[in-house]
Amino acid sequence: QKEVEQDPGPLSVPEGAIVSLNCTYSNSAFQYFMWYRQYSRKGPELLMYTYSSGNKEDGRFTAQVDKSSKYISLFIRDSQPSDSATYLCAKGSGNQFYFGTGTSLTVIP
Amino acid sequence: EAQVTQNPRCLITVTGKKLTVTCSQNMNHEYMSWYRQDPGLGLRQIYYSMNVEVTDKGDVPEGYKVSRKEKRNFPLILESPSPNQTSLYFCASSSTTGIGYTFGSGTRLTVV
Repeated sequence: QKEVEQDPGPLSVPEGAIVSLNCTYSNSAFQYFMWYRQYSRKGPELLMYTYSSGNKEDGRFTAQVDKSSKYISLFIRDSQPSDSATYLCAKGSGNQFYFGTGTSLTVIP
Repeated sequence: EAQVTQNPRCLITVTGKKLTVTCSQNMNHEYMSWYRQDPGLGLRQIYYSMNVEVTDKGDVPEGYKVSRKEKRNFPLILESPSPNQTSLYFCASSSTTGIGYTFGSGTRLTVV
């Protein structure tokens, strides 16, 4: 079983839609959870991270962790064409990280 | 600007011709790592280094070598590249007190 499982998509939505990206993970012995955004021909960049269960909000983005069900979600409100990218979920503890395979998102103007 | 710099960005080479991909970070990070990214497989760790002169294998180390003689540099060496090493490679670094990685911009390698 993979440490982090992620639906690869692709996902295509109209501009302004609410986007939900989801991952599941195994092995609860990790301290924090992250979402990376990767534009085409670029390296992944850290978008958000959270330590605990519950929601963390940053502008149009909300990261949600449910440790009881081992579920990680990223919600994007009022999606924009500039949000078109691949989104990778990850879990980490110290310098040990595990990544999902990424979900490709396209926001259509 | 805090960054991880990889070179070259793109390389086409032939089977068996030794090559080195350089990686340098300017954030004084202790931890550095190499990943390859392939469609459907995501990011897979090749090698990592906890600090100078300390390196260890990741999930897919076969066919690769690394060295960490200086804190800022972590080159990836392919002694005898093969076509199955055609991939997108990322170097990344992190600190022991920070969150997550800072990634380089990637090196697209094609071995023919």
